[in-house]
Amino acid sequence: ETGVTQTPRHLVMGMTNKKSLKCEQHLGHNAMYWYKQSAKKPLELMFVYNFKEQTENNSVPSRFSPECPNSSHLFLHLHTLQPEDSALYLCASRPRGSGGNEQFFGPGTRLTVL
Amino acid sequence: AQKITQTQPGMFVQEKEAVTLDCTYDTSDQSYGLFWYKQPSSGEMIFLIYQGSYDEQNATEGRYSLNFQKARKSANLVISASQLGDSAMYFCAMREEDSSYKLIFGSGTRLLVRP
Repeated sequence: ETGVTQTPRHLVMGMTNKKSLKCEQHLGHNAMYWYKQSAKKPLELMFVYNFKEQTENNSVPSRFSPECPNSSHLFLHLHTLQPEDSALYLCASRPRGSGGNEQFFGPGTRLTVL
Repeated sequence: AQKITQTQPGMFVQEKEAVTLDCTYDTSDQSYGLFWYKQPSSGEMIFLIYQGSYDEQNATEGRYSLNFQKARKSANLVISASQLGDSAMYFCAMREEDSSYKLIFGSGTRLLVRP
């Protein structure tokens, strides 16, 4: 069991649709992250939340809107996306006091924008 | 400039043999961390091993070891006794001295283990 869950696992949407991706962790972690993985490109950080506060927005277009209502949940609201936004969207969380500071990833949501 | 460079897009290894995946990094920070992740076809990123910049010994985790050469700014992953289940994408990543603890990833190496 990964400890970090993401729903849905697959999503197909039109450019005019509005949808949301959900990430959930009950590991007591205090930081959560959204990454985008496009074909043939390295993972790109999108957003960082620490203790529910957004601490980083990596120049992400406004058609991506994150929300972190509590330290266990992270959402990515999507609207008027473009076909080039098709990618694997990965959520990650980081534990408190970990010597390695590794991030634990969810299984990802594979998004296709038509 | 790329911060993490993985020069091997694809690698083959025979089952039960050892393989080294290369990673070089670029940073001016004194404190940083280096990570390796495995990504099977299912998509999930699986943490393998971590090396801190101040760690004097190379990190090891089971069949995984990290060959850390600070002066050369390299952090190669060594997988011993390869198994068929090791076939996957492998990503090197770095965390710089930053309050967000964000990771910067390389482009990855696809490893295929041959039976």
